[in-house]
Amino acid sequence: QVQLQESGPGLVKPSETLSLNCTVSGGSINNYYWSWIRQPPGKGLEWIGYIYYSGTTNYNPSLKSRATISVDTSKNQFSLRLSSVTAADTAVYYCARHFKYCTNGLCYNSCFDPWGQGTLVTVSS
Amino acid sequence: EIVLTQSPGTLSLSPGEGATLSCRASQGVSSTYLAWYQQKLGQAPRLLIHGASNRATGIPDRFSGSGSGTDFTLTISRLEPEDFAVYYCQHYGSSPAYSFGQGTKLEIK
Repeated sequence: QVQLQESGPGLVKPSETLSLNCTVSGGSINNYYWSWIRQPPGKGLEWIGYIYYSGTTNYNPSLKSRATISVDTSKNQFSLRLSSVTAADTAVYYCARHFKYCTNGLCYNSCFDPWGQGTLVTVSS
Repeated sequence: EIVLTQSPGTLSLSPGEGATLSCRASQGVSSTYLAWYQQKLGQAPRLLIHGASNRATGIPDRFSGSGSGTDFTLTISRLEPEDFAVYYCQHYGSSPAYSFGQGTKLEIK
């Protein structure tokens, strides 16, 4: 079955750029939507943005254009860059595949399954 | 922006009892776009329900979802010890495209 694995630095300095990769194994990145979602310690979930395998993206406006998601289909991998980070960006970052559900000739990508195990990124000097 | 409000914040029950968790949207939403997740401590969320009432693969039938419009419910009949966790509802909409409720913690009484 499909598995996702996040990787990247666990510590980033304020004002710098957070960079994470998500490697997909057990299946192709093609023909699916892929998202980044984060969770500050002890808090709830926040959707960051998604990318379609073809490169189409959509972001949460709350991040004020700091987020950039890219895809490398040759590596079966997609990535997140979050610029100008502050302590408020400290969180567990998850990558997830959109769950594709088709019924009555229509397909929906409205939720997430599966998820990676998550990686904690701390913003601190 | 559609805001999802979950209640109660914490629910204290005993194994074997039934649980009812609520998710209320600030305006009417399509049930097609409403999902529920379970998150255990230190783990990633797991999809339980999609389309408001469809169990995801491998989810026991003691989990059920219902609702429409602004009010949605996750019901867990006959709580098992492994069901004690945090539960989130999630919606797909316009801007932001995806949003989550703040979560309900289901704890052992």
